[in-house]
Amino acid sequence: GAVVSQHPSWVICKSGTSVKIECRSLDFQATTMFWYRQFPKQSLMLMATSNEGSKATYEQGVEKDKFLINHASLTLSTLTVTSAHPEDSSFYICSAALAGGPEQFFGPGTRLTVL
Amino acid sequence: AQSVAQPEDQVNVAEGNPLTVKCTYSVSGNPYLFWYVQYPNRGLQFLLKYITGDNLVKGSYGFEAEFNKSQTSFHLKKPSALVSDSALYFCAVGGLTGGGNKLTFGTGTQLKVEL
Repeated sequence: GAVVSQHPSWVICKSGTSVKIECRSLDFQATTMFWYRQFPKQSLMLMATSNEGSKATYEQGVEKDKFLINHASLTLSTLTVTSAHPEDSSFYICSAALAGGPEQFFGPGTRLTVL
Repeated sequence: AQSVAQPEDQVNVAEGNPLTVKCTYSVSGNPYLFWYVQYPNRGLQFLLKYITGDNLVKGSYGFEAEFNKSQTSFHLKKPSALVSDSALYFCAVGGLTGGGNKLTFGTGTQLKVEL
């Protein structure tokens, strides 16, 4: 149980285009989903917290207009990187949490490369 | 604010020997503590957690960790290391704060198990 999927697993795009990454909880309803970014050989940095049906809460320094997060249902959250640039290239990981619980279940990650 | 420290960037150990990966934390109130493992280009795999109860926690793949409140530590241990244990290990601390159940990750420790 508690499986989280991400799609796509990797994506290559041209500079200036937008990329959408999906995060799904497959066998449970996730009240809260989290989006992280990880640079090579570095730790996970929380970008934003999203609750179903409400606006995402972004961490300091994360541009909300660049990283659009939508959490339309209890099983799906999406992260859209708008007007992507090479510096946005990174490994993006989502996680999902059950209501009232501290544990997060992580997706397999999405490798974004912007040319 | 909550924080995690993993003082060692890398730990080297011979196969068959015991291993320890260190983690100390700082958090207001009772901590929720987690260990995750990450293989190259993969998401995080859950190893074990401490929420409440026994200080010695047993997890996946023969790993265990001991919660030490007085030393604010949660070191990861395994009695006999395997080459396949070589990976990046993250300690994380969380709690049910006003902002939701956020996790704060340590910087990670690269474990290298050699024959």
